[in-house]
Amino acid sequence: NAGVMQNPRHLVRRRGQEARLRCSPMKGHSHVYWYRQLPEEGLKFMVYLQKENIIDESGMPKERFSAEFPKEGPSILRIQQVVRGDSAAYFCASSPDPTSLYEQYFGPGTRLTVT
Amino acid sequence: KQEVTQIPAALSVPEGENLVLNCSFTDSAIYNLQWFRQDPGKGLTSLLLIQSSQREQTSGRLNASLDKSSGRSTLYIAASQPGDSATYLCAVILYSSASKIIFGSGTRLSIRP
Repeated sequence: NAGVMQNPRHLVRRRGQEARLRCSPMKGHSHVYWYRQLPEEGLKFMVYLQKENIIDESGMPKERFSAEFPKEGPSILRIQQVVRGDSAAYFCASSPDPTSLYEQYFGPGTRLTVT
Repeated sequence: KQEVTQIPAALSVPEGENLVLNCSFTDSAIYNLQWFRQDPGKGLTSLLLIQSSQREQTSGRLNASLDKSSGRSTLYIAASQPGDSATYLCAVILYSSASKIIFGSGTRLSIRP
């Protein structure tokens, strides 16, 4: 059973461009979570999604950021008009149904650099 | 608001020593507590998960304890090795918000050969 997959692993964007980060959860997992780790800071929750639904987006910046988890395909974290402050590592995690032990399994992360 | 604090922020010890990493949290209504390891530029590796009803978990040279009443957890590493050098993250999930993990800022551990 493959783990959580994220791609690309490294992404470089110029200011003003769009960044799309993809996350494929573990097989059988229908819950996806996105976290951001700014340089020299801890990981912070951004958003929690189930298939076709955003459940909790309390950690998402109000502008330029959006996330989706379609019925088919990976979850996408989209950042429009990137700025230097968006440079960070973005981690995705997945978990089985909530009747499980709530353990989240993390992917290797996407490191976004905005030049 | 739940806050997770890890002390010390950095620690350097010679190889072979036993060591303890500390974690404290302000809201005792946690569902579980988890310790992760993060290597530079890499993802997170789950080390130990303690359910709220448990007091400790062990895996090899690692032992994690949980005291909900005092809001504390410790990660004990026995007979440290240079390969243990990494950042160790403590994290909790609250009953009130089981969708998000709240992380501490980590302890950066360096084991000197």
